[in-house]
Amino acid sequence: QQQVKQSPQSLIVQKGGISIINCAYENTAFDYFPWYQQFPGKGPALLIAIRPDVSEKKEGRFTISFNKSAKQFSLHIMDSQPGDSATYFCAASIRSGGATNKLIFGTGTLLAVQP
Amino acid sequence: DTEVTQTPKHLVMGMTNKKSLKCEQHMGHRAMYWYKQKAKKPPELMFVYSYEKLSINESVPSRFSPECPNSSLLNLHLHALQPEDSALYLCASSQTGNTQYFGPGTRLTVL
Repeated sequence: QQQVKQSPQSLIVQKGGISIINCAYENTAFDYFPWYQQFPGKGPALLIAIRPDVSEKKEGRFTISFNKSAKQFSLHIMDSQPGDSATYFCAASIRSGGATNKLIFGTGTLLAVQP
Repeated sequence: DTEVTQTPKHLVMGMTNKKSLKCEQHMGHRAMYWYKQKAKKPPELMFVYSYEKLSINESVPSRFSPECPNSSLLNLHLHALQPEDSALYLCASSQTGNTQYFGPGTRLTVL
């Protein structure tokens, strides 16, 4: 029940296109949903995040859509660029004792944007 | 500034060696984390420190020993590791617990 399912596993998009990555969860105790971008050999970098009381959040070319009733959320990358080529992880945060939260990660999506 | 630093960047060690990984943050965050990441996999949580006290140990083998000397520093002591422990070791910190900021990681190779 603490899993976060992510799809697709890999994605190829043409430059200028829209990249869409989907995630789903079961546990309604999750209260925060970040997306991380990771380049090879680097640590994950926080991209954008949303709380379950918000249906959409946009930051530049990146948008999170959140459907609380369906327990699904997705990342849209508009006008995808070759520099966006990376692995993207969705995650869900859950309180885990005291002031500590745990992040449950999806399995990751390898995005390749072709020039 | 949301920087978490980790040293060393790369580490090669034998199975009988003792080594340590270091993580530092100066954002005033009260929670710090160690993760292990294998190739093409998501990060796996190992340990969480909250207010300098160990709050979560995800059943990590005792050959990994965490230490939090102060609110800005986090160490991971390594001893008698196995080749399958080779991975990218990531440190993260957070203030609220939700937004975690990751360091660049230490690439560990166990021979």
